[in-house]
Amino acid sequence: ETGVTQTPRHLVMGMTNKKSLKCEQHLGHNAMYWYKQSAKKPLELMFVYNFKEQTENNSVPSRFSPECPNSSHLFLHLHTLQPEDSALYLCASSQGQGASNYGYTFGSGTRLTVV
Amino acid sequence: DAKTTQPPSMDCAEGRAANLPCNHSTISGNEYVYWYRQIHSQGPQYIIHGLKNNETNEMASLIITEDRKSSTLILPHATLRDTAVYYCIVPYSEKLVFGKGTKLTVNP
Repeated sequence: ETGVTQTPRHLVMGMTNKKSLKCEQHLGHNAMYWYKQSAKKPLELMFVYNFKEQTENNSVPSRFSPECPNSSHLFLHLHTLQPEDSALYLCASSQGQGASNYGYTFGSGTRLTVV
Repeated sequence: DAKTTQPPSMDCAEGRAANLPCNHSTISGNEYVYWYRQIHSQGPQYIIHGLKNNETNEMASLIITEDRKSSTLILPHATLRDTAVYYCIVPYSEKLVFGKGTKLTVNP
């Protein structure tokens, strides 16, 4: 247990479904991140939140919709996904947004399969 | 894009030291070098980070060259559970951007 909890651990969804991924941290961190890791590819940064405000969206399709209601919780709402969106989705948090000063703590990820 | 270069794979015998190299020739004076590892299908795990001086913790040692253009992560007594992908990262625009890392296989 790293202090960053992701649920569910595994998710299978159809292309017409709507589902949400949840990330929770009680480390007192102010910045939170969503990463995507497709098979045999490096982690790709999707979204960055700092003090609940989105500070970065790396050209992520609108079928992925993040939500950060407070500094401890981060959601990724999914709708009308494609099979190529199947991947490991990882959440991370850090004390501040500057990676030069603060390392990231990662959750265990949600393994998403779109059928 | 990642600002580091690592060999794609390495092997190490169990109980021996594993030395993982990383080149970061474009690093600037105030940028840290971070090392993470990812065991299959889990989230990346922080190992160690450093700026100029060599660092050691309970997991590993980090040796940074004087010109800071390269570094080596040392696992002093590798075990089978150290088999993982190891990432050397210099933050890009204040974010951790992951490259392909080094796949370390520890053999019995």
